[in-house]
Amino acid sequence: GAVVSQHPSRVICKSGTSVKIECRSLDFQATTMFWYRQFPKQSLMLMATSNEGSKATYEQGVEKDKFLINHASLTLSTLTVTSAHPEDSSFYICSARPGGTEAFFGQGTRLTVV
Amino acid sequence: QKEVEQNSGPLSVPEGAIASLNCTYSDRGSQSFFWYRQYSGKSPELIMSIYSNGDKEDGRFTAQLNKASQYVSLLIRDSQPSDSATYLCAVTGGTASKLTFGTGTRLQVML
Repeated sequence: GAVVSQHPSRVICKSGTSVKIECRSLDFQATTMFWYRQFPKQSLMLMATSNEGSKATYEQGVEKDKFLINHASLTLSTLTVTSAHPEDSSFYICSARPGGTEAFFGQGTRLTVV
Repeated sequence: QKEVEQNSGPLSVPEGAIASLNCTYSDRGSQSFFWYRQYSGKSPELIMSIYSNGDKEDGRFTAQLNKASQYVSLLIRDSQPSDSATYLCAVTGGTASKLTFGTGTRLQVML
């Protein structure tokens, strides 16, 4: 299967600061990547679709000014959580669908805001 | 009605038994169906994909699809403790369609 690499795997930050998460496709080019958030014992919730060279598409209820997405190249998408609050603490996961069907996921980033 | 429904479990089976995981979906136009395994604290990994009615086998795993009943299942034969995880069912209508996940079924394989 395709390889998606996500970094960092864990991050702890102070309230009010910003955190950047990187998602890379290692063996394919991804014009589209997907960002999910997962709270404990809950399923994946799609936050936004990242589009190379254009604006991201956000799901209803997701604040685009808080969760900044940049997809500057065919192999890299970034998610920046701005002005983080404790309620933003969650597991953030990126994915890509290189063949348009199956999704392959990065390792995930455990964000803790203190 | 949720788009993709799964029993949250936990489903407990003894080691060596067959585990049967079920999923129903609401969109009759759905075309592609996937099973993912997610260990606690890790991201999902793809186990099986199925696109047409019937059974698809891969090692100890068998996916079954019945589009008329809008039902997809995953059978795990000879269950091992290492199979203990949450299994997510995912459905999409096509390449341009959103991939929709169920809430997952937690499987516990007991020694």
